[in-house]
Amino acid sequence: QVQLQESGPGLVKPSQTLSLTCTVSGDPISSGSYYWSWIRQPAGKGLEWIGRLHTSGSTNYSPSHKSRVTISGDTSKNQFFLKLSSVTAADTAMYYCARIEVGDTGGYTWFDPWGQGTLVTVSS
Amino acid sequence: DIQMTQSPSSLSASVGDRVTITCRASQSINNYLNWYQQKPGKAPNLLIYAASILQSGVPSRFSGSGSGTDFTLTISSLQPEDFATYFCQQSYSIPLTFGGGTKVEIK
Repeated sequence: QVQLQESGPGLVKPSQTLSLTCTVSGDPISSGSYYWSWIRQPAGKGLEWIGRLHTSGSTNYSPSHKSRVTISGDTSKNQFFLKLSSVTAADTAMYYCARIEVGDTGGYTWFDPWGQGTLVTVSS
Repeated sequence: DIQMTQSPSSLSASVGDRVTITCRASQSINNYLNWYQQKPGKAPNLLIYAASILQSGVPSRFSGSGSGTDFTLTISSLQPEDFATYFCQQSYSIPLTFGGGTKVEIK
């Protein structure tokens, strides 16, 4: 059974870089036709997709964050990472990592499973 | 970007009620639509993918329908554990986008 666990600093100063790690157990991030993704949720608000990393190493990012985001992976540690630069208070949110599963036909994809999330606050 | 609009944003219902939540896409997404349930303090949990396919382990009282731009999540008989927030999400194109959520509360 695949499990994901986010980790990283809970407090980041404005203008600095937010760095988070998602540790995956039960499934190699380099195998299968999956994506590994980051999503965030400000308190009391909706979900916002940040970007994804394919098992091939290719990435896709939301245009809203593209200039500030990097998602990468370390297959030896079975981890993938989020770096978000030049953060402001608007980046304060619960950050989730999730696997994107790809259906056998039709190109359908969905987020499953999710990590439990890690709260990041941007404040001086 | 494809905008996803859910309605209502919240509703009050009683145990045993039939509940329907609507999700509308700003353009046709065929049936590339997923539904998630989120309970307070927890991560979202997949309920339905490809508009109508029930994820393994999800109770059969949940069902999804729709295609094109209009979609529906139905809970046939609301149970105490179903009080939560529900989100739709389109997987038709990048960027992946979510609806604003529908909070189902106890009447």
